[in-house]
Amino acid sequence: EVQLVQSGAEVKKPGESLKISCKGSGYSLATSWIGWVRQMPGKGLEWMGIIYPSDSDTRYSPSFQGQVTISADKSTYTAYLQWSSLKASDTAIYYCARPIPAAPYHWYFDLWGRGTLVIVSS
Amino acid sequence: EIVLTQSPGTLSLSPGERATLSCRASQIVRSSYLAWYQQKPGQAPRLLIFGASSRATGVPDRFSGSGSGTDFTLTISRLEPEDSAVFYCQQYGDSPFTFGQGTRLEI
Repeated sequence: EVQLVQSGAEVKKPGESLKISCKGSGYSLATSWIGWVRQMPGKGLEWMGIIYPSDSDTRYSPSFQGQVTISADKSTYTAYLQWSSLKASDTAIYYCARPIPAAPYHWYFDLWGRGTLVIVSS
Repeated sequence: EIVLTQSPGTLSLSPGERATLSCRASQIVRSSYLAWYQQKPGQAPRLLIFGASSRATGVPDRFSGSGSGTDFTLTISRLEPEDSAVFYCQQYGDSPFTFGQGTRLEI
């Protein structure tokens, strides 16, 4: 089955660090990017960034540049989203998704993970 | 950054009716790089339409997309109760690749 498997829900305190993961299976991972999308409680979708695990080429939305780090493990084709110091405003569901290139560097998402809920509260 | 404005905010219709959802961009969307997603409560989004008018695999032909430039439309004919969801448009023509704020469809 073609799917993206995300790590489980997290409850953290402000100031703590966190790294969540996303692993694809059932398709050719060696030539695939993985993207991240945020959905804050009761809100819409926000495109965060995208990574090519094979060489770690990473593109960020300006809104998230410097706020999070997207990384990947080439050996397992797993993508990660991490924070060095969480804030309450980072509370959200974070989805990973498989980007399909309509042209080089122009992607839409055709496969989504189930999401990782991150709650940041003191 | 291209801003996508979706209308209406909420649409309430009956089974069998037709729904017309609008997505207007603040600038021309290059090459009609516009996608539509459906999100049901507690679920991840699901791709419906890409390239403004191409249906994704497995999407019923009741769903159709149209438009170009700055104005795009998602039409759902013969509404069914399970179509209740929030629908988002997304442009992927210019980085950052932005989403609209969503239209809630109530059946």
